[in-house]
Amino acid sequence: AQSVSQHNHHVILSEAASLELGCNYSYGGTVNLFWYVQYPGQHLQLLLKYFSGDPLVKGIKGFEAEFIKSKFSFNLRKPSVQWSDTAEYFCAVTHNAGNMLTFGGGTRLMVKP
Amino acid sequence: NAGVTQTPKFQVLKTGQSMTLQCAQDMNHNSMYWYRQDPGMGLRLIYYSASEGTTDKGEVPNGYNVSRLNKREFSLRLESAAPSQTSVYFCASSEAIGLGGVKTQYFGPGTRLLVL
Repeated sequence: AQSVSQHNHHVILSEAASLELGCNYSYGGTVNLFWYVQYPGQHLQLLLKYFSGDPLVKGIKGFEAEFIKSKFSFNLRKPSVQWSDTAEYFCAVTHNAGNMLTFGGGTRLMVKP
Repeated sequence: NAGVTQTPKFQVLKTGQSMTLQCAQDMNHNSMYWYRQDPGMGLRLIYYSASEGTTDKGEVPNGYNVSRLNKREFSLRLESAAPSQTSVYFCASSEAIGLGGVKTQYFGPGTRLLVL
């Protein structure tokens, strides 16, 4: 079975710092990749997704992620975080047309003003 | 459009009690899903419904049942709640799944359930 690992469980940054959250998956075939964000007290929202094409994907709110197939990774980045980026971030993968998402354990990001 | 809605928002149950979590979507999506979210474990799929009239087990189906009432509604039932079912439950929906590629899932606000 495929698995998704997010190695950073908690990240604390100051405003304007750069962010990179790691995501690695275990499946060796064709994959589709997602990052979801959950702001405090809210539901999951799609941040960005990769299905095919350019491995550098740009999402909402200045986030981007790069799919590196050789490293089985899909790391999330933002050059300069804001206090409003405080949230929990989930990486998710699906490898089949059945649309079964496998989620990582999540990374809690706290941005200090 | 409200998107995906869930009721109730919060619920406290005693061990052995039963309850049904409701989910509805107004995006005309064919596929719907139920997940549970536990600290450090991300979201895990309980059941899903690829289309009206069909349901299938996900990763953690034990202790749950589902009903796809119509295209809009997908309910999750706990027949005899256990403390291990304390969790946050999320419903999601997407366009039709199957051949033709992956579809983005859209999530509801969640139901926090505490089983004592």
